[in-house]
Amino acid sequence: GAGVSQSPRYKVAKRGQDVALRCDPISGHVSLFWYQQALGQGPEFLTYFQNEAQLDKSGLPSDRFFAERPEGSVSTLKIQRTQQEDSAVYLCASSLAGQPQHFGDGTRLSIL
Amino acid sequence: AQRVTQPEKLLSVFKGAPVELKCNYSYSGSPELFWYVQYSRQRLQLLLRHISRESIKGFTADLNKGETSFHLKKPFAQEEDSAMYYCALLAGTALIFGKGTTLSVSS
Repeated sequence: GAGVSQSPRYKVAKRGQDVALRCDPISGHVSLFWYQQALGQGPEFLTYFQNEAQLDKSGLPSDRFFAERPEGSVSTLKIQRTQQEDSAVYLCASSLAGQPQHFGDGTRLSIL
Repeated sequence: AQRVTQPEKLLSVFKGAPVELKCNYSYSGSPELFWYVQYSRQRLQLLLRHISRESIKGFTADLNKGETSFHLKKPFAQEEDSAMYYCALLAGTALIFGKGTTLSVSS
C-alpha cells in the first residue's frame, strides 16, 4: 500500500485480556517505530526497530508490553494483562534510514 | 532533559490573520526539529523539518538556537489550516513530541 497500515483501527478489551496490534510499514522502510498517544497528549515513543532488530525499547512502560518484527517488515505490539491505563491510541511509523517518519492511522485501544 | 513545550493548547484566529504557533525545546545536542499536522479524521503527517528550510502550504519555521525555539508561522491563515499541530524533536532515532496546539481558523 501507499502508506503505513495499522489494524485493527479500534480495539475494545476487558481488563486483564491480552491484545495484539499490527503494523504494516511502507514497503522498503527499514525503520519502524511504535508510539503511544494518551488523550490530550502528544505521541510518546515506545520502541524502535531497524529491520528485524529491536534497537531501542526504552519507552515500553512495563514488561507487559512486547513488540516484534520477525521478518523485518510487519510488526506486532502485544500488551499482556491489559490495564485501564493502557487505553490510548497506538501509532506506528516507518521511515527510510535518516528520513522523516510516516505515521499510520493508529489503533484506538479501550480497556474496560 | 529532552523536552518539547507547546504553551498554547488552542489558538483561534480569523481568516487572513497571521498565525504563530509556539514551540520551545530542551536538548543538549544539535537539534533536529519538525512540525507535524493532523487534520480532522486524518493521520499525522509531516508539515516541515527545519533542515530543509522550505515553506509548505505557506508555513515557515525558523530554528532559533539562542531562544531554543522553533515557532511555526503563516502570514495569512486559511480555514483549511484548522488542525492539530505538533512540534517534535528528534532525539537519537525517536521523536519527542509536544502536547500539540489546536489551530482554529474562522471566517
